[in-house]
Amino acid sequence: AQKVTQAQTEISVVEKEDVTLDCVYETRDTTYYLFWYKQPPSGELVFLIRRNSFDEQNEISGRYSWNFQKSTSSFNFTITASQVVDSAVYFCALIDNYGQNFVFGPGTRLSVLP
Amino acid sequence: NAGVTQTPKFRILKIGQSMTLQCAQDMNHNYMYWYRQDPGMGLKLIYYSVGAGITDKGEVPNGYNVSRSTTEDFPLRLELAAPSQTSVYFCASRDGQRPYNSPLHFGNGTRLTVT
Repeated sequence: AQKVTQAQTEISVVEKEDVTLDCVYETRDTTYYLFWYKQPPSGELVFLIRRNSFDEQNEISGRYSWNFQKSTSSFNFTITASQVVDSAVYFCALIDNYGQNFVFGPGTRLSVLP
Repeated sequence: NAGVTQTPKFRILKIGQSMTLQCAQDMNHNYMYWYRQDPGMGLKLIYYSVGAGITDKGEVPNGYNVSRSTTEDFPLRLELAAPSQTSVYFCASRDGQRPYNSPLHFGNGTRLTVT
């Protein structure tokens, strides 16, 4: 069975601090796909990034970066120089090679204080 | 492009009432999903569909029914509403074609309260 763990329930940082959100996953598939979603206080779910299991290159998009390590089954998300607008719940998710069922982690609530 | 549209946005039901949450997408996605999100919690899969006429149970299907008569629509039916069904309901869709890495596109949610 597949599983996604986000051990950090809540994180609080002060604006301009860097913060890393952890995601650890379990799957028996050799091909799978990982995702991060953001849920701001307004409630909608926003897709941030997708990563294929066969592509271990890290990715940077502005202040956001993602570190995918197959050896430790982790797909961590770092926000550099955090801003108040980054305050949200962040979900990590996994889908297997059959592509039917998305499995979400429990989410990490990030509060960025001014 | 409207994406995924959910109606209504809010609803209050009395215990034992029934209702249908509507979900429509205009992206020609074959896969559609219903999730519920309880306050302060993550997303739990209720039902999903991989195409018209095909539905399957997720993690928490009890108390709900779905149908998928067209590619565009995926309504969720609540029969005999209970307080435990108080939640925010999200509908989502995605392109289920290979290589299976299409992200979920979510609607804005329906906030349901059962009292």
